[in-house]
Amino acid sequence: GEDVEQSLFLSVREGDSSVINCTYTDSSSTYLYWYKQEPGAGLQLLTYIFSNMDMKQDQRLTVLLNKKDKHLSLRIADTQTGDSAIYFCAERRGYQKVTFGTGTKLQVIP
Amino acid sequence: DGGITQSPKYLFRKEGQNVTLSCEQNLNHDAMYWYRQDPGQGLRLIYYSQIVNDFQKGDIAEGYSVSREKKESFPLTVTSAQKNPTAFYLCASSSRIDTGNTIYFGEGSWLTVV
Repeated sequence: GEDVEQSLFLSVREGDSSVINCTYTDSSSTYLYWYKQEPGAGLQLLTYIFSNMDMKQDQRLTVLLNKKDKHLSLRIADTQTGDSAIYFCAERRGYQKVTFGTGTKLQVIP
Repeated sequence: DGGITQSPKYLFRKEGQNVTLSCEQNLNHDAMYWYRQDPGQGLRLIYYSQIVNDFQKGDIAEGYSVSREKKESFPLTVTSAQKNPTAFYLCASSSRIDTGNTIYFGEGSWLTVV
């Protein structure tokens, strides 16, 4: 389909790992992104991965890309209350076209 | 500091009025975008512009208009033809030469029809 799909909600305990999943649409997408949005604010880029990579790690963040299944995931290690936010995945299909998922709301329980 | 500035943060519109949301960037980015976000939904592309004096419709352009007279500015006008304009509006920009072609966002503007 045309939609980038994410589950709507995830709840984890502080200190645990969080895994946010995304299914994208176009196997020829060049870049895939993860953004974080706090209430009433714009989107903040967390990380991105080029389509010829399988994994990218950046401090507490690990991105896994499965091109065969068009599946992208974001793992946050040692999740903190400050990680509570909405997380969006996005795919770039061409220079003009970036499509965003519906967002996953992460709730971190102290 | 480099970034994208949107103003105003909050705007109230009476029915039948046009309103304009401002977006300015000092990142020297060629491309600029306007997205609309409704509660519980993702971002939908309204308009985008790759170069000065050129812009294209996105997925939900009806009832909106834009201009790109300067590289750093991309104002969005919400016209009276937009029947459901209450939403959070996000301006963004990107550059071809940036690694990852990443889109960077402003802090957003809330528009409410009263």
